[in-house]
Amino acid sequence: AQKVTQAQTEISVVEKEDVTLDCVYETRDTTYYLFWYKQPPSGELVFLIRRNSFDEQNEISGRYSWNFQKSTSSFNFTITASQVVDSAVYFCALSEVAQGGSEKLVFGKGTKLTVNP
Amino acid sequence: DGGITQSPKYLFRKEGQNVTLSCEQNLNHDAMYWYRQDPGQGLRLIYYSQIVNDFQKGDIAEGYSVSREKKESFPLTVTSAQKNPTAFYLCASSITRYQPQHFGDGTRLSIL
Repeated sequence: AQKVTQAQTEISVVEKEDVTLDCVYETRDTTYYLFWYKQPPSGELVFLIRRNSFDEQNEISGRYSWNFQKSTSSFNFTITASQVVDSAVYFCALSEVAQGGSEKLVFGKGTKLTVNP
Repeated sequence: DGGITQSPKYLFRKEGQNVTLSCEQNLNHDAMYWYRQDPGQGLRLIYYSQIVNDFQKGDIAEGYSVSREKKESFPLTVTSAQKNPTAFYLCASSITRYQPQHFGDGTRLSIL
């Protein structure tokens, strides 16, 4: 069965520090998708990125960057020059093919990031 | 604006009572999902539906029921058989499989 591990339960940094959130996954599928979501204190989940298993290029979006390495089954997320507004819980998720060919996501337990002024 | 609307934001249940959480989307998405979030547990899938009039159990379906009579709506009923219903419930939708899921603001359910 698919599994996503986010070993860091909580991380606390000071504003302007860089921070990396780790995500390790397990799957037997050759085709799969990985996602990162952000959950601010208000509660809703906000989609950040989707990556498919055939695309190992790193991605950069402003202060956010993602490093996907199939060899180590990792999909790590780095925030450069962190800001207080980055404080949230971040979830990594893996797509799984369910019964009837439908798809569902398996989520990690999340990493709570606190950025202090 | 397109999005997912969950109501109510807060809900209280008495013992032995069934309660229904509403989820409506105007994104024209085929797939809809219900998740339960407990502190430190991440999100766990309760039920999901890929098309109207069809739905499947997720990982923790016991004590819950759903219906999908309309594409826009996917209500979740928390029955009296669910012995520990206190949690944060999130509804999501996606246009098709493997696409990003869009989430509502959630409903927080507590027991009186």
